[in-house]
Amino acid sequence: EDKVVQSPLSLVVHEGDTVTLNCSYEVTNFRSLLWYKQEKKAPTFLFMLTSSGIEKKSGRLSSILDKKELFSILNITATQTGDSAVYLCAVRPEGSGGGADGLTFGKGTHLIIQP
Amino acid sequence: DAGVIQSPRHEVTEMGQEVTLRCKPISGHDYLFWYRQTMMRGLELLIYFNNNVPIDDSGMPEDRFSAKMPNASFSTLKIQPSEPRDSAVYFCASSFGTASGNEQFFGPGTRLTVL
Repeated sequence: EDKVVQSPLSLVVHEGDTVTLNCSYEVTNFRSLLWYKQEKKAPTFLFMLTSSGIEKKSGRLSSILDKKELFSILNITATQTGDSAVYLCAVRPEGSGGGADGLTFGKGTHLIIQP
Repeated sequence: DAGVIQSPRHEVTEMGQEVTLRCKPISGHDYLFWYRQTMMRGLELLIYFNNNVPIDDSGMPEDRFSAKMPNASFSTLKIQPSEPRDSAVYFCASSFGTASGNEQFFGPGTRLTVL
């Protein structure tokens, strides 16, 4: 059974701090790992990672994957109160047709940025 | 594009009643997913369709749950009879299978409360 474990479960930091969120996984026939940000509504897509060692970056957010050690990290630098959210990690296995199979999600890291 | 549309946004019903949740995927997307989110279990994949055909329903909790996709622009998730433990937010998501990344776009969710 595919499994995704995120840590920490919750994190409270001050504005301006840098945070690192962790995601470890076990999946049969790994295809990709995805990060989502969820505020009070539906998840919004952040990154998709398929190759080890290649950093994806978007503004103050960045993420990297280690397929040998089966984990990924999501970094947020110079945090702002608007970064407060639940950050979800999900893995996708290879599908029978190479298509968009369903994701297995971790329980998320609840990040709170205090002013 | 309006994005993934779900209805209703909120539903409160009594135990034993039938509940029908509705989803309209993004036009042109060929994959549709139903997820359930609770505090205890996080985000879980229930079932997904490709070209209106159910591909994997192993996440459907029990026979009280059923999902249909009669055409490319509409899907339903039905719970009959509903139970209090079905209370959750139900998300529908869609994706275009052959696009790079196969990013899933989530709808706003239906918050279901079963009394």
